[in-house]
Amino acid sequence: GAGVSQSPRYKVAKRGQDVALRCDPISGHVSLFWYQQALGQGPEFLTYFQNEAQLDKSGLPSDRFFAERPEGSVSTLKIQRTQQEDSAVYLCASSLAAELRNTIYFGEGSWLTVV
Amino acid sequence: AQTVTQSQPEMSVQEAETVTLSCTYDTSENNYYLFWYKQPPSRQMILVIRQEAYKQQNATENRFSVNFQKAAKSFSLKISDSQLGDTAMYFCAFMKGASGSRLTFGEGTQLTVNP
Repeated sequence: GAGVSQSPRYKVAKRGQDVALRCDPISGHVSLFWYQQALGQGPEFLTYFQNEAQLDKSGLPSDRFFAERPEGSVSTLKIQRTQQEDSAVYLCASSLAAELRNTIYFGEGSWLTVV
Repeated sequence: AQTVTQSQPEMSVQEAETVTLSCTYDTSENNYYLFWYKQPPSRQMILVIRQEAYKQQNATENRFSVNFQKAAKSFSLKISDSQLGDTAMYFCAFMKGASGSRLTFGEGTQLTVNP
């Protein structure tokens, strides 16, 4: 695709509901990142994939958060039993390879509001 | 752990003038990269400029330039000939010099360019 695509763009969930956020990286991009951005703050790292392998999940805030990328392309971030503090923009980013010279491209994010 | 600090929550500048955004960081790494990202209301993070720590020469991209002071751990962004389209949130970010490294962001500076 032309850019990193995320869906849904906006999601309102009732507290306790499960949500799934999807990321379509740029075609052929090996590296994929998820970040969480609370209102008025900078993004914070959640997890990193290289192809289908989840190489770093140290930023996931609790065991209610789970991410997968089973075929090395599309990724899904799942949040179980959502709580109000989960309200944030969830940003997905991808890059062509793990090499640092490759630019990281961000999507427009999925805005999650938990009520 | 790395930290990135942006001490100016808000800045404003008149169109066509020059403005400088400040950023300091703390790390024990010797090999790393620094970035400035722009985030308009759409929330998509757009790369403005990047600097490799091993390069002494300051990076420039058209109207954007940085003042990288490695010993002082300072990385400021200068925007020349400011345009209305430069109005956005600006984030300073740090990344270790290893493949698959995460970005660590500052709190951001809201820049407003006034006509």
